Amino acid sequence: NAGVMQNPRHLVRRRGQEARLRCSPMKGHSHVYWYRQLPEEGLKFMVYLQKENIIDESGMPKERFSAEFPKEGPSILRIQQVVRGDSAAYFCASSPGTRNEQFFGPGTRLTVL
Amino acid sequence: GQNIDQPTEMTATEGAIVQINCTYQTSGFNGLFWYQQHAGEAPTFLSYNVLDGLEEKGRFSSFLSRSKGYSYLLLKELQMKDSASYLCAGYSGAGSYQLTFGKGTKLSVIP
Repeated sequence: NAGVMQNPRHLVRRRGQEARLRCSPMKGHSHVYWYRQLPEEGLKFMVYLQKENIIDESGMPKERFSAEFPKEGPSILRIQQVVRGDSAAYFCASSPGTRNEQFFGPGTRLTVL
Repeated sequence: GQNIDQPTEMTATEGAIVQINCTYQTSGFNGLFWYQQHAGEAPTFLSYNVLDGLEEKGRFSSFLSRSKGYSYLLLKELQMKDSASYLCAGYSGAGSYQLTFGKGTKLSVIP
């Protein structure tokens, strides 16, 4: 049973470019969460999605960031016009239902030059 | 929202026992998670306490006191591979789906 998959594992972008991060949840999991981890900081919640629906995006910056979880395919976290401050590790987690333990993917390490 | 506090760093000797504490605000809280995170890797689930008391799982045990807003993770018979960050996390209020994490405790196990 494959775990949570994320790709790419490492992503380098120049300021102003777009970053697309992908997450495939564990088989049988329909709940996806995105977290960001800055150096020396804890994991910070960004957004919670179920298939085709954004349930809670209270942790997402209002501008440049968006997320989706289409009926078919992986969940996507999209960052437009990246800035140096977006450099971080972005983790995706999935769970079979609400308020269960969340299983994390290996993360995407975004570096903005 | 929740404030979750835990020590930044700890050092312990191989074969010993170490206790990592976590305190949190009690309002709207429902259960507490512990995750292990090795440098550059994903957090991996260790335990989830909903009720007060101690839960044992092999070399790892986790304790929760909801009235005191306090939890600890106990690691026995420490091994070098236990060197990692240990993250305490809880749901941010009733009906919330987002986990609020502490900054993590970096444990170094020395020979």
